Amino acid sequence: AQSVTQLGSHVSVSEGALVLLRCNYSSSVPPYLFWYVQYPNQGLQLLLKYTSAATLVKGINGFEAEFKKSETSFHLTKPSAHMSDAAEYFCAALLSGGSNYKLTFGKGTLLTVNP
Amino acid sequence: ETGVTQSPTHLIKTRGQQVTLRCSSQSGHNTVSWYQQALGQGPQFIFQYYREEENGRGNFPPRFSGLQFPNYSSELNVNALELDDSALYLCASSSPTGSTGELFFGEGSRLTVL
Repeated sequence: AQSVTQLGSHVSVSEGALVLLRCNYSSSVPPYLFWYVQYPNQGLQLLLKYTSAATLVKGINGFEAEFKKSETSFHLTKPSAHMSDAAEYFCAALLSGGSNYKLTFGKGTLLTVNP
Repeated sequence: ETGVTQSPTHLIKTRGQQVTLRCSSQSGHNTVSWYQQALGQGPQFIFQYYREEENGRGNFPPRFSGLQFPNYSSELNVNALELDDSALYLCASSSPTGSTGELFFGEGSRLTVL
């Protein structure tokens, strides 16, 4: 069965510091992978997605993620954190090739940005 | 182009009652999925509807049911509410022609069961 693991339920960084949020997936077939962000009392907004093209994916708000098949990872990074990045981040996986768009989500990582 | 809209945004029910949540999909999207997000957890897939038929279901009991209408809007119904049903319920729409699985989420309906 497919699963997504996010290492660290809470990450705290200083404004201007590097952001690194970790995500690993377990699947016999490399899935499509997504990072979503959720601000308080809001729904999920797509940051970026990997769909078997380039392994380094650039998203909105300066975020990017690199797909590493050998490590079954899809970590999210941003070179310099901004106060507005404080939110909860979810990694999700979708097995490719089907019409059933069932996403499997990790438990989320809450990012705190300190001034 | 309108996004995914859900109603109501918040509601409170008591154990044993029934609830109906509604969702309007994004323009041009014919697939709707529902997710349950408990406090401190990631969203969990409930089910998906495509062209008015259920097209996949997660590990949820039959008291969770749904409908999709010809205009692709959708309802989630939960019968015999339990305390553990308290959660944020998210609706997401997608278009199979995209083939990349991207989901567009609404802001959710927060259900509290007392």
